[in-house]
Amino acid sequence: GENVEQHPSTLSVQEGDSAVIKCTYSDSASNYFPWYKQELGKGPQLIIDIRSNVGEKKDQRIAVTLNKTAKHFSLHITETQPEDSAVYFCAASNGNNRLAFGKGNQVVVIP
Amino acid sequence: DAGVIQSPRHEVTEMGQEVTLRCKPISGHDYLFWYRQTMMRGLELLIYFNNNVPIDDSGMPEDRFSAKMPNASFSTLKIQPSEPRDSAVYFCASRGSSGTTQYFGPGTRLLVL
Repeated sequence: GENVEQHPSTLSVQEGDSAVIKCTYSDSASNYFPWYKQELGKGPQLIIDIRSNVGEKKDQRIAVTLNKTAKHFSLHITETQPEDSAVYFCAASNGNNRLAFGKGNQVVVIP
Repeated sequence: DAGVIQSPRHEVTEMGQEVTLRCKPISGHDYLFWYRQTMMRGLELLIYFNNNVPIDDSGMPEDRFSAKMPNASFSTLKIQPSEPRDSAVYFCASRGSSGTTQYFGPGTRLLVL
């Protein structure tokens, strides 16, 4: 089945700086790549997603890029704020209703 | 909409006891997913339903775990008998048939002593 890896496991950034989280996937048939944000004591919430026919997608301060050839995709958060501190999960799916999640990245924004 | 509702939010039980976790999906959603989250294994899909029918239960750890969806607005995940290694956060998520986004509930934090 699909295997998704996330790096780094923990990321600390100064408020206002950018944060980048990278994920790799193994199944070349995967065509849907969502990113979820999980705050303490809550369930994961979708923040952005991208499909395999698009190379980049942006929504305000967050963006996702996809490199199908290399089988990796990245989340970019610009102008980080304290409320961006959370665990971020990437996931991949080949359209079979199953999402394979990475282990998550703890992002800490230092005020 | 109230979102996905799970109960209880926290459960502490002793090894060997039966545990039942409950989920109410978002109204109109016809896919329901049960996940387990641990530090070691991350988020794992246990089982998912479509129109109340179990489609894929390959992630269910063993026979001690069972899940049902008697109607479109209710699902249960049961562990009998529970063991300490079942301690985790269990999430329910739902999705509409025309969408791709899975909406997660707040989770049930289970501790088996």
